[in-house]
Amino acid sequence: EDKVVQSPLSLVVHEGDTVTLNCSYEVTNFRSLLWYKQEKKAPTFLFMLTSSGIEKKSGRLSSILDKKELFSILNITATQTGDSAVYLCAVEASSGGSNYKLTFGKGTLLTVNP
Amino acid sequence: DTGVSQNPRHKITKRGQNVTFRCDPISEHNRLYWYRQTLGQGPEFLTYFQNEAQLEKSRLLSDRFSAERPKGSFSTLEIQRTEQGDSAMYLCASSPRQIRANVLTFGAGSRLTVL
Repeated sequence: EDKVVQSPLSLVVHEGDTVTLNCSYEVTNFRSLLWYKQEKKAPTFLFMLTSSGIEKKSGRLSSILDKKELFSILNITATQTGDSAVYLCAVEASSGGSNYKLTFGKGTLLTVNP
Repeated sequence: DTGVSQNPRHKITKRGQNVTFRCDPISEHNRLYWYRQTLGQGPEFLTYFQNEAQLEKSRLLSDRFSAERPKGSFSTLEIQRTEQGDSAMYLCASSPRQIRANVLTFGAGSRLTVL
């Protein structure tokens, strides 16, 4: 069974701190890894990673994938209170043919205090 | 494009009752997914449609759960004889046919509380 493990499960920081969120996975037929941000409602897409070692960056957020060691990290620099959310890691794996689904980790709850 | 729409947003029901949730995906998306999320957990995959065909169902989806997408547009998720363990947020998501087909756009969810 596909497995995605995120750590830490929760994290409290002060504004301006830099945080690193971790995601490790064990899946068969890996295709991609995605990061989502979930505030009070629907998860919203952040990044999709398919190749090892290529950093994806969007403003203060960046992410990288290591397909050999089966993990990804999400970095947030100069955190702001608006970054407070649950960050979900999901791995896309094919279950045969064109069928695939995302398997999510439990998420990391990030709280940024002023 | 109004995004993925789910109704109702909240449903409170008594144990044993049937409930139905509706999802309207983004119009040009042919793939539609149902996930369930409980407090402190990530979304768990329930089922997946490509157009009107239901291509995969999770083992989590007991016989009391049924999903349909009759014309390849909106989808319904019905839970029969609800149990307290069914209390959760039911998330619908859709994705396009080819480019970025794995990037799911989620709806705001339908929260079910079974008393």
